[in-house]
Amino acid sequence: GAVVSQHPSWVICKSGTSVKIECRSLDFQATTMFWYRQFPKQSLMLMATSNEGSKATYEQGVEKDKFLINHASLTLSTLTVTSAHPEDSSFYICSALAGTSGDTQYFGPGTRLTVL
Amino acid sequence: QQQVKQSPQSLIVQKGGISIINCAYENTAFDYFPWYQQFPGKGPALLIAIRPDVSEKKEGRFTISFNKSAKQFSLHIMDSQPGDSATYFCAASHGTYKYIFGTGTRLKVLA
Repeated sequence: GAVVSQHPSWVICKSGTSVKIECRSLDFQATTMFWYRQFPKQSLMLMATSNEGSKATYEQGVEKDKFLINHASLTLSTLTVTSAHPEDSSFYICSALAGTSGDTQYFGPGTRLTVL
Repeated sequence: QQQVKQSPQSLIVQKGGISIINCAYENTAFDYFPWYQQFPGKGPALLIAIRPDVSEKKEGRFTISFNKSAKQFSLHIMDSQPGDSATYFCAASHGTYKYIFGTGTRLKVLA
């Protein structure tokens, strides 16, 4: 149980275009999802907390107009990287809160974004 | 106070040996301490987690030791195998709030 999927697993796009990444909880409902960014050989950097039906809460330094997050249902959250630039190239990972106490995060497999 | 300090940064262990990774925290409000395993190009996978009301939790070859007074917790991997070679992250959280992650430990188990 507690499976989280992400789509796509990798994407290559041209500079200036927008890319949407989907995060789904497959066998549970998640009122809260998180979006992370990870650089090579580094820890996970939290970008934002996404709550179903409300606006996402962004971490300090994360541009909310560049990284649009939508959590329209209890099983789906999306991250849209708008007007992508090469510096946005990274590994993006989502997680969803589950567990009996609702404090365990289950992570998706990640999405590798490369902006040319 | 929101930091979780993880050590060592990297670790090399012989097959069959014990791998030990340590984490320390400052915020006494933290009440949930999970460990994640991450392989290259994959998302982190939950290994084992503990709450402050117990001092040790074991699941198979993985054991968490928790020292509330010292504000430290550690992951022990018994009988380490080459397949355990991965990056391990500790984390801490309070309630359903966000995780504070450690910096990660790259474990290599030699065959």
